[in-house]
Amino acid sequence: ETGVTQSPTHLIKTRGQQVTLRCSSQSGHNTVSWYQQALGQGPQFIFQYYREEENGRGNFPPRFSGLQFPNYSSELNVNALELDDSALYLCASSLFYDPRETQYFGPGTRLLVL
Amino acid sequence: AQTVTQSQPEMSVQEAETVTLSCTYDTSESDYYLFWYKQPPSRQMILVIRQEAYKQQNATENRFSVNFQKAAKSFSLKISDSQLGDAAMYFCAYRSALGTGNQFYFGTGTSLTVIP
Repeated sequence: ETGVTQSPTHLIKTRGQQVTLRCSSQSGHNTVSWYQQALGQGPQFIFQYYREEENGRGNFPPRFSGLQFPNYSSELNVNALELDDSALYLCASSLFYDPRETQYFGPGTRLLVL
Repeated sequence: AQTVTQSQPEMSVQEAETVTLSCTYDTSESDYYLFWYKQPPSRQMILVIRQEAYKQQNATENRFSVNFQKAAKSFSLKISDSQLGDAAMYFCAYRSALGTGNQFYFGTGTSLTVIP
């Protein structure tokens, strides 16, 4: 069974730039959720993707967007980066139609915005 | 919106001893799931234990067990026979059982130190 993977592991950007983070879901999982974890905080839900469409969104502005591909992998895109976007970005995969199924997390991408 | 509160930012325990981490949550829903996740310094979140709200019996997983008090909206984690590898940040999380595609709500975490 293949676990959740994310790339890159670390990234440094400057304010105003755009960034794309990638996630490969665990084998057999069809749903991907993205979370932002600021230093010293718990993860905050950004959005979830199922069947290549956004299925639920947290309190994040539209400059946070995503994609899901037919193989269930996903991208998180952030435009017009701000200093407060510096955080660990976590991807989690799960099975959509089984609410008892938990989410399995990837190792995260550490983004630093200067 | 649901909220999850972890009132202990840091805890410590002697190796082989028992420690309890606290978590409370606020919800108007009757059906939901609660989780404890562990995040070691390597930062990958690992599921420790899960509890379904409709089950009265407390979940157990080897040295990990929970005390689920639905009326009090409390969900504490007990770690028995603590080991050095238990040192990590622990997050309590809530997920609604209503509908599909539900997000997890996380607490702010408790940093656990295990003293040799």
